[in-house]
Amino acid sequence: DAGVTQSPTHLIKTRGQHVTLRCSPISGHKSVSWYQQVLGQGPQFIFQYYEKEERGRGNFPDRFSARQFPNYSSELNVNALLLGDSALYLCASSLVEGQFYGYTFGSGTRLTVV
Amino acid sequence: GQQVMQIPQYQHVQEGEDFTTYCNSSTTLSNIQWYKQRPGGHPVFLIQLVKSGEVKKQKRLTFQFGEAKKNSSLHITATQTTDVGTYFCAGAPGNTPLVFGKGTRLSVIA
Repeated sequence: DAGVTQSPTHLIKTRGQHVTLRCSPISGHKSVSWYQQVLGQGPQFIFQYYEKEERGRGNFPDRFSARQFPNYSSELNVNALLLGDSALYLCASSLVEGQFYGYTFGSGTRLTVV
Repeated sequence: GQQVMQIPQYQHVQEGEDFTTYCNSSTTLSNIQWYKQRPGGHPVFLIQLVKSGEVKKQKRLTFQFGEAKKNSSLHITATQTTDVGTYFCAGAPGNTPLVFGKGTRLSVIA
């Protein structure tokens, strides 16, 4: 079985631009969570989706948005990029919503904003 | 909001020495999870503890969940170079998204 797939793996954007990151969860997993990991820090929760509905939102500005599709894949969108948005963006797949089964993370998208 | 704190931030050990990292939450947790992230990699799930006072072992790794379900520890016996990485604890009250600590970065000197 394929694991959690994220694309692209690396991305360089200019301040003010928009970015879309994509995630395909493990087959059969219905929940996707997005985390931002700045270098040297732990992952910070951004969004959680389950059955195409937003189930949780972290302390991030409205420039961050996400959605989940009928096939359970997900997109994270960030508008008006700032230098501080440079980070590793991680997608986590789980069987159900919440966190009772442990998360399987993808390899992440490393975003650099210049 | 809920906070999960880990100490120490860094730990350098000689190969063969033991290592322990501690995790404390500002709120009672429904469960605690531990993840390992190798340099340049992504977090990988190690284990989940659910019950108060629970202790679980995975080979040289021993995980404990405190009686009050607000703290946890990971102990590695006789570290090896393959143990290098950052160890994160993560938890949340109830069935809510995980909150991660800042991690403990382990370096092992051969």
